[in-house]
Amino acid sequence: DGGITQSPKYLFRKEGQNVTLSCEQNLNHDAMYWYRQDPGQGLRLIYYSQIVNDFQKGDIAEGYSVSREKKESFPLTVTSAQKNPTAFYLCASSIQHRDYGYTFGSGTRLTVV
Amino acid sequence: KQEVTQIPAALSVPEGENLVLNCSFTDSAIYNLQWFRQDPGKGLTSLLLIQSSQREQTSGRLNASLDKSSGRSTLYIAASQPGDSATYLCAVEIGDSNYQLIWGAGTKLIIKP
Repeated sequence: DGGITQSPKYLFRKEGQNVTLSCEQNLNHDAMYWYRQDPGQGLRLIYYSQIVNDFQKGDIAEGYSVSREKKESFPLTVTSAQKNPTAFYLCASSIQHRDYGYTFGSGTRLTVV
Repeated sequence: KQEVTQIPAALSVPEGENLVLNCSFTDSAIYNLQWFRQDPGKGLTSLLLIQSSQREQTSGRLNASLDKSSGRSTLYIAASQPGDSATYLCAVEIGDSNYQLIWGAGTKLIIKP
């Protein structure tokens, strides 16, 4: 079955540590996205990529980094510069065309300990 | 700046009732509006996508309408069931950024058996 796989499901980060969240898709979608979800707020876009080896900052990119070396993979690194990283992180993908909708992964919950 | 609002933030109704969830947006210059469902601790599932030229879309017991001029969309759920309990999110795709979705904070729906 085609879909998006995010791992791990739960992740704990110590102060000052970088962590990487994995996102893999087998849908042959060109575009991939990372969103952050906090309680009581709408999803906020961190980074997106419309093509391999290219990505753009979203609304809240500070303290995060991404890479897009393969079409199938779009990992997100939460760096120590992100001062409040505790949140639910969602990865999504879409065909490179408006009006075709988005497919989401099941999310990674990151907690600072 | 586009803003998306969902009221109420939470709703509890008895099983079998028909119900309406509301979504409003401040700028009518949208490409489409999408409704998603999110179960606790999970990713998002796409329910309905309404293109800007359309007035409504239907899928099973769900019907979504769009009135661009008034900046409103409604999601109608017929004959509600306990399995419909989830958070429902709406998002608009705007035209001044590539593939940018602006999200509401969601309505948490509880269907009581």
